Amino acid sequence: QKEVEQDPGPLSVPEGAIVSLNCTYSNSAFQYFMWYRQYSRKGPELLMYTYSSGNKEDGRFTAQVDKSSKYISLFIRDSQPSDSATYLCAIDGNNRLAFGKGNQVVVIP
Amino acid sequence: ETGVTQSPTHLIKTRGQQVTLRCSSQSGHNTVSWYQQALGQGPQFIFQYYREEENGRGNFPPRFSGLQFPNYSSELNVNALELDDSALYLCASSDPGLAGGIGETQYFGPGTRLLVL
Repeated sequence: QKEVEQDPGPLSVPEGAIVSLNCTYSNSAFQYFMWYRQYSRKGPELLMYTYSSGNKEDGRFTAQVDKSSKYISLFIRDSQPSDSATYLCAIDGNNRLAFGKGNQVVVIP
Repeated sequence: ETGVTQSPTHLIKTRGQQVTLRCSSQSGHNTVSWYQQALGQGPQFIFQYYREEENGRGNFPPRFSGLQFPNYSSELNVNALELDDSALYLCASSDPGLAGGIGETQYFGPGTRLLVL
């Protein structure tokens, strides 16, 4: 069983729509959860960082962690064309990050 | 920009050759981690260096090796290159000593794109 599962399917949405992304993970000991954004031919950049369960909001972005179901989510409100990128979930497991495969999001003007 | 730099940006090698990739960590960060990202995949952890010592290794063969220098910059060496080694190689720096639990946050460089023919 992979540590982090993220359905890698691409996602196309019209500008202004809500984007919903999610991952599941296998090890209940994980405490730190991240979402990274990666533009084409660039390194990943940290978008959101959450410790344990709960919600965290930063502008148009909301990250949710449900440790009881080992489920993490990212919501992007009022999506913009500049949000078009690959979004990677990651969990911090003992000095290393375990990543999902990523979702390529395209926001159509 | 994260302040993490990597060189070179692109590299083409042939099967069996050896390659060295370099990374300069963000100022003040004493930990460097290396990841391999194949096309269409998430990054896979190779190993981490903390204060010049290896501090964890992923599921990669011994022909992947590394170094960290006193200024916390780092090298990734890959011997006997195989076609499947073609990927984006990312380094990330962090400082586990930062308070508030955010020390494990890793900041990535732009990567080195390696093509093995």
